[in-house]
Amino acid sequence: QQQVKQSPQSLIVQKGGISIINCAYENTAFDYFPWYQQFPGKGPALLIAIRPDVSEKKEGRFTISFNKSAKQFSLHIMDSQPGDSATYFCAASMASYDKVIFGPGTSLSVIP
Amino acid sequence: GAVVSQHPSRVICKSGTSVKIECRSLDFQATTMFWYRQFPKQSLMLMATSNEGSKATYEQGVEKDKFLINHASLTLSTLTVTSAHPEDSSFYICSASSGLAYNEQFFGPGTRLTVL
Repeated sequence: QQQVKQSPQSLIVQKGGISIINCAYENTAFDYFPWYQQFPGKGPALLIAIRPDVSEKKEGRFTISFNKSAKQFSLHIMDSQPGDSATYFCAASMASYDKVIFGPGTSLSVIP
Repeated sequence: GAVVSQHPSRVICKSGTSVKIECRSLDFQATTMFWYRQFPKQSLMLMATSNEGSKATYEQGVEKDKFLINHASLTLSTLTVTSAHPEDSSFYICSASSGLAYNEQFFGPGTRLTVL
């Protein structure tokens, strides 16, 4: 119930293409869904986050789509660039619960 | 804003020694700090949660006597790996939360521990 599933495990996208990473959760008490970007040897950095009262949030080339009924959310990276090559983690948490539950991660490679 | 630092960034030590890792929130007061461990190509595993001035809460399977956590102030938490062994070699990452905006956590850059 606390698990966050994420797919695909790895993704190769051509420069300029759209990268799509999908996540799913079980616990309907989750009410905060952040995405983190991590480069090798670095700590994760918050990329974008969404709360379940909206179905989509866009920040620059990054968009989160949220489907509350399906308990799924996804990250779309438009116009993917080689600099976007990193590991992406989706996560979930509750306002009343101080832990953030991480998905297993997706390794994205954007090739020229 | 919301910068978290860690020191050292890398440490190599001999088996049996203890290593201390510091985590600091530079521009905000962190009511809660978290310590994670990450093995290569894996996700972050939460080790413990610490609140300023109180004992840390450890996740199941994490030895509290081996991984000592101190959260002495609202800007500093330390993780001490006691009697380190090669299997403790990992990437240790801290994060900090101000408690103001849901559970938004800000992560440090990580510390690479290698135990010989």
